[in-house]
Formats: sequence, structure tokens, C-alpha cells
Amino acid sequence: AQSVTQLDSQVPVFEEAPVELRCNYSSSVSVYLFWYVQYPNQGLQLLLKYLSGSTLVKGINGFEAEFNKSQTSFHLRKPSVHISDTAEYFCAVSVDTGRRALTFGSGTRLQVQP
Amino acid sequence: DAGITQSPRHKVTETGTPVTLRCHQTENHRYMYWYRQDPGHGLRLIHYSYGVKDTDKGEVSDGYSVSRSKTEDFLLTLESATSSQTSVYFCAISGTDAYSPLHFGNGTRLTVT
Repeated sequence: AQSVTQLDSQVPVFEEAPVELRCNYSSSVSVYLFWYVQYPNQGLQLLLKYLSGSTLVKGINGFEAEFNKSQTSFHLRKPSVHISDTAEYFCAVSVDTGRRALTFGSGTRLQVQP
Repeated sequence: DAGITQSPRHKVTETGTPVTLRCHQTENHRYMYWYRQDPGHGLRLIHYSYGVKDTDKGEVSDGYSVSRSKTEDFLLTLESATSSQTSVYFCAISGTDAYSPLHFGNGTRLTVT
């Protein structure tokens, strides 16, 4: 079975600073990787996904993530954050065999301060 | 919200009472899911469905049952609610491929007193 670990439960950062949210996964088979964002009192919204090909994936709102197979990581980055990026971010993994459902990490709360 | 409606949005109920949450989609997607979200745990899969009358258990299925009699509706039932089932419940839908992303509803906040 696959699993996801988000290494930081909270990340405080100042506006216009860069940020990295860390995600590691474990799986015995090839994976598909996703990042979702959740704004207060809302459902989750897809930020970006890695299926195959280029290991650098660009998503919405200026976010990007890099797939590193040897390190089993899929870290999310943004070069300059805005107050509006304050939200909870979830990393998730899916595999092509067995149960067809995403496995989520425990989430990272990004707090952007002025 | 990709045509997903969850009802009710909020519910308070007493321990021991039955509760049914409804998820309705207008996208004609085959896969539907129920997750619960709790602080420190992220989202955990309760049950999912891969077609009408076809369902399977997730990692936290104890105390929950589901039904899917139509493509568009997926019901989650707590037969006898307990305080440990106080949570935010999310329905999601997806296409048939493992790489299809999930699209989520806005959630149901359930409080069991």
C-alpha cells in the first residue's frame, strides 16, 4: 500500500518570500502525484499533478512541484507568496493497481504574513 | 465544484441516532468517494464506488455504510452515530483512469453530541 508524509504541519512565511512545502511518498509501484489546496470552509481544489514525463510540473496560481523518484519526493514551491495563498495544502498519491483512490498526506498549513 | 452537491452542509445529531449524508453529481462520473477530514489526519477514505451498486471499503469504513442506486447519487450512512464520527465529510468524483484527479464537493460538517 502507498503512503504520503508531509513533513511540516505548519509553515509560516512572509509575503513575497519563497516557500517550499515538502512531501514524501512510499509505494512499491509507479505513482501519480497530486497537490491540492483547501481554502477555509471549502473543498479541495487541484493545484497540479504529475503523471509522467518532465519532472517539473507547473500548476495554477504560480505553484510548481518537482518529482524526484530517487528521493521519493514531490515538493511544492512558489517563488513569491501572497497573502491569498494562506490555506492548507495536501499532497496525494494514486497508483494504477488495486484500490482506485487517492491517499492523502496529513496536510501543511501555509500562513502568509504581511 | 465540478457539479457536486453535498447535503446537508451542516448537521448536529445525538449519539446513537442514524444519519445519512447525500452526494449528488451532474458529471456522470463513474467513481465516487467519501472521505472524512480530521485535524492531523488529512483526508481518509471511508468508502468508494466504481459504479451503480458497486462499492468497496476504504481505510476507515467501520461504522459506515454506503449505497449507490443511481450514477448521480452516493449516500453515506452512519447507522448509530458516535462522537468519534464528528468530522467534516467530503464527497469526491473522478474519471475512470488512476491518474484522473478527484473533484471535491464543499463538505458536510457533522457534529455528534
